[in-house]
Amino acid sequence: EAQVTQNPRYLITVTGKKLTVTCSQNMNHEYMSWYRQDPGLGLRQIYYSMNVEVTDKGDVPEGYKVSRKEKRNFPLILESPSPNQTSLYFCASSLSNSGRETQYFGPGTRLLVL
Amino acid sequence: GQSLEQPSEVTAVEGAIVQINCTYQTSGFYGLSWYQQHDGGAPTFLSYNALDGLEETGRFSSFLSRSDSYGYLLLQELQMKDSASYFCAVRDSNYGQNFVFGPGTRLSVLP
Repeated sequence: EAQVTQNPRYLITVTGKKLTVTCSQNMNHEYMSWYRQDPGLGLRQIYYSMNVEVTDKGDVPEGYKVSRKEKRNFPLILESPSPNQTSLYFCASSLSNSGRETQYFGPGTRLLVL
Repeated sequence: GQSLEQPSEVTAVEGAIVQINCTYQTSGFYGLSWYQQHDGGAPTFLSYNALDGLEETGRFSSFLSRSDSYGYLLLQELQMKDSASYFCAVRDSNYGQNFVFGPGTRLSVLP
């Protein structure tokens, strides 16, 4: 089954404690993204990757890191989480970055930073 | 920069037709997409318009006017399961390869 998986689905942590949210897709997609979703703000792109070892900043990259060492995986790293990073996070992938290509979203990771 | 505007809420009854508008400001427009998101779920792709005109997919249609920087999603024969949030999104070719989403429109379908 074609899918994007994220782990964990729910996470409660404390300020400053490094965490990683994993994302994996099984569709051999080149383009992968991370978004955060906050009420009234829609989805905002954090980072995206065009292919292995190619990543770039989206609209809200501050406080986040990503890596793309393999085509299928695109982890999101919060080196020192802060309460303003409390949010719902989605990973997405698509065959390419053209808008015509469907972006497939993972189930989401709900993060609470205390 | 880039910005998209959508109405925050729309309410309609079962069987009706509803139109959700989206206006955008970008410096290098590439195309307009629409996504649906049910409560507690992930966004799912609905449609994409790169050229002016109407694209139809079953009960859903999407329209684009590039000259007006405007598009809309048309939902016909509304069903209760259409209650969800709907987001328009653009890929701006002048801002690398990133996508920008609108704030979303909450559609409530009443019996």
